[in-house]
Amino acid sequence: GAVVSQHPSWVICKSGTSVKIECRSLDFQATTMFWYRQFPKQSLMLMATSNEGSKATYEQGVEKDKFLINHASLTLSTLTVTSAHPEDSSFYICSARDRQLDQPQHFGDGTRLSIL
Amino acid sequence: GNSVTQMEGPVTLSEEAFLTINCTYTATGYPSLFWYVQYPGEGLQLLLKATKADDKGSNKGFEATYRKETTSFHLEKGSVQVSDSAVYFCALSGVGGSNYKLTFGKGTLLTVNP
Repeated sequence: GAVVSQHPSWVICKSGTSVKIECRSLDFQATTMFWYRQFPKQSLMLMATSNEGSKATYEQGVEKDKFLINHASLTLSTLTVTSAHPEDSSFYICSARDRQLDQPQHFGDGTRLSIL
Repeated sequence: GNSVTQMEGPVTLSEEAFLTINCTYTATGYPSLFWYVQYPGEGLQLLLKATKADDKGSNKGFEATYRKETTSFHLEKGSVQVSDSAVYFCALSGVGGSNYKLTFGKGTLLTVNP
């Protein structure tokens, strides 16, 4: 079946560092990818919708300069957390929509980001 | 706007017990409905889905029926196993156009004890 690979799975870094998370669709082309943030014991919060070749659409309250999203190809989207601080520590999950199928979204395994 | 309300947990059951996790939704039009499962430290996996009224989604012994009259999509399993311990999310998405965003419920933590 379709697989979405997310890398890295866990990252620990110092405050002020920028961190890049990759999301790849391995066996299908994804015209649309989504980035979510999940706090402990809470639901997923959609951060932005990423369309290949165009600017991402951010949800209300999400800082676009803080969370840079690039969707340069049909199989890769990246999320860069710029100048990360401890409050950015969270579990980030990406998902991808298969252009051949209307639904569902296929999810990556998530990235746990810890900022010291 | 769209919203999903699901039974808050945590839910703790003994192995082989019957499971029901309630989910109701509010949406314009005719959304598709989903149940996702998240095991500890992992992303979400699609458990089952239903795309129109009266459809029944089923997988791994879990079932849910799309009830338009009650705007519900309750998850059921007749006999749970320890391996079913996870967080379960009910979700909906719009249809057509570019609206493939998923709206999630808050999740229900299920713990199954031997």
